[in-house]
Amino acid sequence: GAGVSQTPSNKVTEKGKYVELRCDPISGHTALYWYRQSLGQGPEFLIYFQGTGAADDSGLPNDRFFAVRPEGSVSTLKIQRTERGDSAVYLCASSPLHRGGIYNEQFFGPGTRLTVL
Amino acid sequence: KQEVTQIPAALSVPEGENLVLNCSFTDSAIYNLQWFRQDPGKGLTSLLLIQSSQREQTSGRLNASLDKSSGRSTLYIAASQPGDSATYLCAVIPGNTGKLIFGQGTTLQVKP
Repeated sequence: GAGVSQTPSNKVTEKGKYVELRCDPISGHTALYWYRQSLGQGPEFLIYFQGTGAADDSGLPNDRFFAVRPEGSVSTLKIQRTERGDSAVYLCASSPLHRGGIYNEQFFGPGTRLTVL
Repeated sequence: KQEVTQIPAALSVPEGENLVLNCSFTDSAIYNLQWFRQDPGKGLTSLLLIQSSQREQTSGRLNASLDKSSGRSTLYIAASQPGDSATYLCAVIPGNTGKLIFGQGTTLQVKP
C-alpha cells in the first residue's frame, strides 16, 4: 500500500516568509509525528498527534511553529517568519493506534527539505 | 533527560564482514527501541522494532538486541554487502510518550 507522503519535496523561501509543509500519513494510522533533521544529526521530535489533537507539542522550538491535523488524517506544519536557522529536512511519520502503552512502529515519509535564504 | 548515543560515528568495512553497531541510552525506562536505515537525501526506513519486554529481533541478515538494564542495544549485520552502505539510526521511545529520541547515527560504508 501507499506509504507516508510529504509535499513539497523541496521548498526554498526567503527569510521572513510563511511556509506550509504537508504530510499525508498511511491510511488508517491514527498517530502522526513531525521531526526535524539538520545535516549530520539524528531527527529531533517536534509534535505528535493522536487523532486530531496534539498529544505532545513539547518539541516545537518556538511560537513561530504550528501544526494542525483537522480531520485526523493529513497534517500541515506551518512556520511563520522563517529564519535561516529553520533550514532543515522536515520529516513526518505515522503509526497505528497506540494501545495500553504499546507504541507501534513508526513509518517515515521522504521528508521536505526547507531552505531559508 | 533521555539521551541516545551511537558509536562509532562512521565505519568502513570490506564486503562479507560481520559487523556490530552500538547504541546506548541514559534512561532505562523505555517502551521500545527502533533501528532505522537512511540513504543519502532520503527518509528513514524502519529495520527492526524491539518492545521493552523483548531481548532481540531478527530480520534476514539483521539482528538487534536490547539490554534495558545496561541501556544498550546492538545491531548485528551478517555478511555485509555494498548495498548495506547507509546511515543507521537508533531511536527509543521514553516512558509514556510516543516520540522517538534519536542517536546521531553510524554511517556505514561497505567496500566491494
